[in-house]
Amino acid sequence: EPEVTQTPSHQVTQMGQEVILRCVPISNHLYFYWYRQILGQKVEFLVSFYNNEISEKSEIFDDQFSVERPDGSNFTLKIRSTKLEDSAMYFCASKQLWSSTDTQYFGPGTRLTVL
Amino acid sequence: DQQVKQNSPSLSVQEGRISILNCDYTNSMFDYFLWYKKYPAEGPTFLISISSIKDKNEDGRFTVFLNKSAKHLSLHIVPSQPGDSAVYFCAASAGGGSEKLVFGKGTKLTVNP
Repeated sequence: EPEVTQTPSHQVTQMGQEVILRCVPISNHLYFYWYRQILGQKVEFLVSFYNNEISEKSEIFDDQFSVERPDGSNFTLKIRSTKLEDSAMYFCASKQLWSSTDTQYFGPGTRLTVL
Repeated sequence: DQQVKQNSPSLSVQEGRISILNCDYTNSMFDYFLWYKKYPAEGPTFLISISSIKDKNEDGRFTVFLNKSAKHLSLHIVPSQPGDSAVYFCAASAGGGSEKLVFGKGTKLTVNP
């Protein structure tokens, strides 16, 4: 069964450093998402991406964040200058259709630890 | 932001019995609801969904019920199995061009053998 994959599974970085989290969505999916879950809190939406453009973003997704689909398979989340409060699990998701009733499928997550 | 609420942080049931997980929402624009299951160190796994035009959807041992007037949905697992032990998240989306999922805090289900 096709699945969303993410690398690395765990990333440790120093505050102020740039990190890039990588995702490979399901191959025939066209809509891509990043969510995060801070320990003990809800899963929160960060950004949605379609046709090489951001279609929606949350208040969390400020200028320190960016997303890119550099090739036909990868979807990346970059944090330019990490803060302690960026420590969280970051989940990538994808879905095939535009319809809001189509299901988003999630990857296993990247645990980001900012020291 | 409490648009989706799961008021029970945990639930413990015996194997073979019914598990009922509850979820309440406040945003009347939500038109699609999903349940995800999550094991530690893994991502949310899609379980079952329901559109706002329905009040029930079944898939094997899993049934989701939607009561729009009460803004309440529930997930029934019958019979419960030890492998069902996980955290269950309720999520909703509003459509109308917004695709983001809004999640509840999750309910940790433990099914005891």
